[in-house]
Amino acid sequence: EPEVTQTPSHQVTQMGQEVILRCVPISNHLYFYWYRQILGQKVEFLVSFYNNEISEKSEIFDDQFSVERPDGSNFTLKIRSTKLEDSAMYFCASSEVGRRENTEAFFGQGTRLTVV
Amino acid sequence: ILNVEQSPQSLHVQEGDSTNFTCSFPSSNFYALHWYRWETAKSPEALFVMTLNGDEKKKGRISATLNTKEGYSYLYIKGSQPEDSATYLCAFFGSAGGTSYGKLTFGQGTILTVHP
Repeated sequence: EPEVTQTPSHQVTQMGQEVILRCVPISNHLYFYWYRQILGQKVEFLVSFYNNEISEKSEIFDDQFSVERPDGSNFTLKIRSTKLEDSAMYFCASSEVGRRENTEAFFGQGTRLTVV
Repeated sequence: ILNVEQSPQSLHVQEGDSTNFTCSFPSSNFYALHWYRWETAKSPEALFVMTLNGDEKKKGRISATLNTKEGYSYLYIKGSQPEDSATYLCAFFGSAGGTSYGKLTFGQGTILTVHP
């Protein structure tokens, strides 16, 4: 069964360092998301991406964040200079585009980012 | 800011009990309402995607209803089993208008614990 894969599963980084979280969406999906969940809080939207550009982004997604689809299969989230408050579980998701019945998002297993 | 609220935040029931949770969401710019089941150490998995007012969907012992005019959805579990223990997330998929395809906005989830 097709699935969304994320690497690494756990990343520990020092404050101020750059991190890149990687995702491989389901191959025929065209719409991609990043979400995060800080421990004990709700799942928060970061950004959506369609047709090689950002479709929508939240207030959280400031200049320190960027997304890229470098090679047609990977979808990456980069945090340029990590802060302690960036520590969270980051989820990538993908969905088909088209009818509203096809909007179901398929999630990866998540990357736990710990900033120390 | 879209407000998607779920209640209760947590629920403890005995095996065999039936239970239900509520999700409230904006009634404007509605595209779809999703329910996801999230087990510990796994990624969220879609249960239902509902698009039409009055929709009722069923999967085994779990069913859901949708009222888009008043902005709420109910998830029902009949005869709860310990394996139903998970966090149940609802997500509002709304059109932001213009060229934006929309995004999923999650509620904070209802944590269900079913005791044997």
